[in-house]
Formats: sequence, structure tokens, C-alpha cells
Amino acid sequence: KNEVEQSPQNLTAQEGEFITINCSYSVGISALHWLQQHPGGGIVSLFMLSSGKKKHGRLIATINIQEKHSSLHITASHPRDSAVYICAVMNTGNQFYFGTGTSLTVIP
Amino acid sequence: NAGVMQNPRHLVRRRGQEARLRCSPMKGHSHVYWYRQLPEEGLKFMVYLQKENIIDESGMPKERFSAEFPKEGPSILRIQQVVRGDSAAYFCASSGQGYQPQHFGDGTRLSIL
Repeated sequence: KNEVEQSPQNLTAQEGEFITINCSYSVGISALHWLQQHPGGGIVSLFMLSSGKKKHGRLIATINIQEKHSSLHITASHPRDSAVYICAVMNTGNQFYFGTGTSLTVIP
Repeated sequence: NAGVMQNPRHLVRRRGQEARLRCSPMKGHSHVYWYRQLPEEGLKFMVYLQKENIIDESGMPKERFSAEFPKEGPSILRIQQVVRGDSAAYFCASSGQGYQPQHFGDGTRLSIL
């Protein structure tokens, strides 16, 4: 069993829809990252959080430490949001565990 | 303010050759991480280094792979006697002291003929 589980694996949405991607983990963590990987392969770090909620533009990330769960929300989705979104957790020993990613396609 | 620089972007090697992948962290960053992404698979942690020290290499294959981050110059991921299974995208990330966000390079795509 993977230490980090993401759902869904694949997601197709119409432009403008509200999108939620979920991440559950089974290890104790010091921080959780949400990453975005575009078709060209480059990786961008969207959020790093250890509690509560963060917002950046149309993106919102939340984490519930007790439930070992995080969500990434995209409001008013746009075709340029199409990418793979990866949840990664860092345990207290600075070791990283990655989810397998959620492939998002936003259709105009 | 340059980001994390990886080179080369693409590297082709024949089986048995050596591959050297370079990573220059962001200015002011002293922590470097290497990750591997095999085709159709997720990212996997390989090694975490600080200047002149390997902090965690639990994700590194036991043989043929080594990493260094010298006092001067880029971090190097070295793969000796490459095999077909080494074909992957190798990403480097860097961060500052403490629990800081990691910034990723664009990766090196390694292809083994």
C-alpha cells in the first residue's frame, strides 16, 4: 500500500467547473506539498502546508492533520489548468513520499 | 533570480556508459533533492544533500548510483554502467534552511539505447 493515495486518478471537467483533488496519507508528516506537472514535464510547487488552508489565486489547499487528509481545489477551472497534480508528504525524517498524481483535463 | 538549473535537458547514453546529471540550486539554497520519474510512474525520492553532506540516500539504488553536492559547483547525480531500466526523467529540487518549499528544475530526460 502506498503511503500517499490520491483520488481521482483521472479527472475531466468543463471550463468553469469547481474541481477537487483529494490526498490521504498514512505517515506522520512535517509538511505536505501540492505539485503541478505540465505535459512538457516541468514541475511547479503550488503549496507547502502543515496546517489549515492556503489560497493562491484560483487555487486553494487545505489539510486536516488529524484525519491525515488534504484537498486541492481549483475554482473557475480553465483549460490551462490541465496538468498532473501530485501530492507529496515529507515525514519528520525529511523523507518524501509521492502520490501517483491526478491527471486533470479541462475542456473548453 | 534564476531558478533551479538542470543540465542537460536530454541525455542519451548506450548501455554500459556513464551518465552525469547536473543541478545548480537556486541562489541561497543549500539543500538539494534528487527524484526519479520512471515512464508511466510517479516521482520517487532518491537522495537529499546539503553542501558536502549526504543527509538521506534511502531512495538511491545500492549500486551504480552516487550523488554529491560539493562546496563549490553544482550537485551531480552519477549513474555508472547504465542499463535500459535507468531511462527516466530525473528531477532536482532545492530549498533553503528549515522546512522551506522546494523549487524544481525542469528535469533531465535520460534515454538508454
